[in-house]
Amino acid sequence: GENVEQHPSTLSVQEGDSAVIKCTYSDSASNYFPWYKQELGKRPQLIIDIRSNVGEKKDQRIAVTLNKTAKHFSLHITETQPEDSAVYFCAASNAGGYQKVTFGTGTKLQVIP
Amino acid sequence: NAGVTQTPKFRILKIGQSMTLQCAQDMNHNYMYWYRQDPGMGLKLIYYSVGAGITDKGEVPNGYNVSRSTTEDFPLRLELAAPSQTSVYFCASRDGTQETQYFGPGTRLLVL
Repeated sequence: GENVEQHPSTLSVQEGDSAVIKCTYSDSASNYFPWYKQELGKRPQLIIDIRSNVGEKKDQRIAVTLNKTAKHFSLHITETQPEDSAVYFCAASNAGGYQKVTFGTGTKLQVIP
Repeated sequence: NAGVTQTPKFRILKIGQSMTLQCAQDMNHNYMYWYRQDPGMGLKLIYYSVGAGITDKGEVPNGYNVSRSTTEDFPLRLELAAPSQTSVYFCASRDGTQETQYFGPGTRLLVL
C-alpha cells in the first residue's frame, strides 16, 4: 500500500519568513495530493491540493510543488503569520473511485511573532 | 448546510463497554469515511462507504463496525472498548465528482 513520509515533524520560523514542508510517497499510482491544516482541537481543513498532471500550484501565500519522478511534493508558505501556526498534513491518494487517502504524520508549524 | 456533524464531542468509556459514534452529513455526498487520529500522528482510515448499503474496511478496521442505511448517516460502532481505541475519531464525506473530503469536528474518546 501507499506510504507517505513527512518532514520535519516540527518547524519554527520567525514571522515573515518562509516555511517549507516536504513529503514523499511510495505508490506511483497516486495522482492526487492534498494538504490539510489542523488547528489545535479542530478538524483538518483542506488548504491546497495538486494533481499529478501539474508540477506547481499557488494560492496567495501558499504553493505546492510536485516531482512525480522523485515522488516528492512540498508545501511552501511565504510571509508567514502567527495564524499560520498549526499542524499541517500532506496526503496522497488515487483520485476517483473511493479515494483511499494516506496521510503523513504531520508537521507542527510555529510562527514566532 | 450544517456540513458534517458528529456526536458526541467527548466520551469516556470503561474497558469492555460499547458505544456508537454518530456521523451525519447534509450535502448528499455518496462517499463517507471514518478516521482515527492518535496523538501526534496522522489520520488512519478505519472504514469507508461509497453509498448507502455499501461499506468496506480501511487500514485499521479491527474492533470497529459500521453501517450505512441512508446517504446521510454513517455510524461507527465499538463493541468491546479497549484502551488502544483511545483516540480522536473524525468522520469525513466527499462528493463523487470532486476529491475534497470534508471533515466533521471529531469525537474524542477515552477508554479507561
